[in-house]
Parts: sequence; C-alpha cells; structure tokens
Amino acid sequence: EPEVTQTPSHQVTQMGQEVILRCVPISNHLYFYWYRQILGQKVEFLVSFYNNEISEKSEIFDDQFSVERPDGSNFTLKIRSTKLEDSAMYFCASRTDNEKLFFGSGTQLSVL
Amino acid sequence: DAKTTQPTSMDCAEGRAANLPCNHSTISGNEYVYWYRQIHSQGPQYIIHGLKNNETNEMASLIITEDRKSSTLILPHATLRDTAVYYCIVRSPDDYKLSFGAGTTVTVRA
Repeated sequence: EPEVTQTPSHQVTQMGQEVILRCVPISNHLYFYWYRQILGQKVEFLVSFYNNEISEKSEIFDDQFSVERPDGSNFTLKIRSTKLEDSAMYFCASRTDNEKLFFGSGTQLSVL
Repeated sequence: DAKTTQPTSMDCAEGRAANLPCNHSTISGNEYVYWYRQIHSQGPQYIIHGLKNNETNEMASLIITEDRKSSTLILPHATLRDTAVYYCIVRSPDDYKLSFGAGTTVTVRA
C-alpha cells in the first residue's frame, strides 16, 4: 500500500535554530496537511495546502511556520526560529479527492 | 470544542470482539462519523467512516444509531496489535481537516 514518508524520524535542534521537516506525500494526492502532537496531548491541526497555496491554518501556525511544495513531490514544514514549546511529533498527511487522510509516521522534533 | 465523547480507556481480551462507543449528540445531518486509530507514537491510521448506514470493511464495522447521536466501532476479533488510541471524529462534508479529541485507549490483553 502506498504511504506518506517523513524524514528525518528524529530531529534535535537548538532553540532559535531553523528546522525543515520533510514529507513525501502519496504520489497522486493533491491535498496536504501538517499536524503536531505534543507528548501526552491531542493531535492538533496546523495547516492544509492545495494547489500551491495554504487552504487553511490554525492559530498555532504563526509567522514562524511556513510550508512549501518545492519540487512537485516533497512537502516541507519550516520552523524559522524554534522554541522549546515546538518540541513535538509532527505528522504529515495527504489525500486525493477521497475523504481519507493518510498520515506519515512522523518526525519527533526535540528543541533544546 | 468537542463534538464527540468517548470513554477514556477500555480493555479487551484477545480474540474477542471490541465494541468502542462514541456519543455525538450534536451531529448535523450531513456530517460524517470517522474512526482513526493511533498505535503508540505512530501516525493516525484510517479505520472506517459512515454517514447514516452501517459500514463494514476489512478492519472493522461501524454501527450508527438511527438518530445518529451515537455510534459503535466493532473490532470483530481483537489482536494484541489492535492496542491503540481510537478516535471517533465528526467531520463536516466541506471540512476535510480532522479534529482529534483524546480518544479511547484500548488495551488488548492476552
């Protein structure tokens, strides 16, 4: 079964550094999402992306965050200046026009 | 702004059916009921969804009451690998993002 691939699986960074989390959605999917899950908390929606632009974003997705689909296959989440509270598991998801979201296995981001 | 209510946790014996309840008393007529699960620290995994009718697939069955105010996810023969957090989610037809609650932590015991 096709799957959403995320790299790296773990990322450790210093506070204030920029990080880029990478995702390869399923090849024929057109809608892309980022979610995050702080340890012990709920899975939270960050942003959705379609046709090379943001469709919707949550209040968490502030100016420190950006998304990009640089080359037609990758979908990235950039955090410009990481804070301690950005430490979380970040999940990428994608779908076709079908209602099902397919999630990747996540990137564990640790900000020190 | 929780649209669903689920028990915090439940245990199930391996090989037996697991029945996971969900209340969604404020559901609108065009909103879907979705079930996802999250095995420890992995990404959420789609299980099943429905609107009005009961649904069955290779993973589970979904029973929706006639008034649509509650539903039950049935795992027919639970295995140890079904141990996970199960999320019941109500989704509007024009809003594809999912709003996850706390879910039900299901532990399947040998």
